[in-house]
Amino acid sequence: DQQVKQNSPSLSVQEGRISILNCDYTNSMFDYFLWYKKYPAEGPTFLISISSIKDKNEDGRFTVFLNKSAKHLSLHIVPSQPGDSAVYFCAASARTSGSRLTFGEGTQLTVNP
Amino acid sequence: DAMVIQNPRYQVTQFGKPVTLSCSQTLNHNVMYWYQQKSSQAPKLLFHYYDKDFNNEADTPDNFQSRRPNTSFCFLDIRSPGLGDAAMYLCATSIRGRGGQETQYFGPGTRLLVL
Repeated sequence: DQQVKQNSPSLSVQEGRISILNCDYTNSMFDYFLWYKKYPAEGPTFLISISSIKDKNEDGRFTVFLNKSAKHLSLHIVPSQPGDSAVYFCAASARTSGSRLTFGEGTQLTVNP
Repeated sequence: DAMVIQNPRYQVTQFGKPVTLSCSQTLNHNVMYWYQQKSSQAPKLLFHYYDKDFNNEADTPDNFQSRRPNTSFCFLDIRSPGLGDAAMYLCATSIRGRGGQETQYFGPGTRLLVL
């Protein structure tokens, strides 16, 4: 039972344009959501998070939107840069399960110059 | 800079030969995690320590053990590595308080190759 899903395994975007990465979840107990970026042969790097009491969180070029009724979140990167090319993982946790992270399968973002 | 450090970055071992991977942190976080990640897959949690309390995931094989001698260090021991254990092993840390919403910070990982 995959509780966190990233349905697009890959996304290709032109430099300077917006990248939108999507994530869906099924567990209504999830109350904290995170995005991580991962370069090859490196560990995931924390990007941005959002609590379930909010619907938007912004940090520089990165904005995360949460739609609780649809159990959907998205990461917007504006403007996209070639250095943003990486695998992006969505993750979720619930206080009721000890804050254990459940990861999506990841989306490979490629930003073309 | 405060960080999560994993050594070595690459480890080669022989089939059945015990191997230990290490993780240290300067963040003074009270929780340390070990994940296994195989290519193109999501990281899979093996176990974690909350302070000195060890928490094993139900589907983690007995072949995998862990030690946390102090706050800063955590070790992953693979007693008899098989070919299927070749993977990236990720250490992560977080601070667990009363709020319950934790952000985990990952180290660079150790790539294990089993010959």
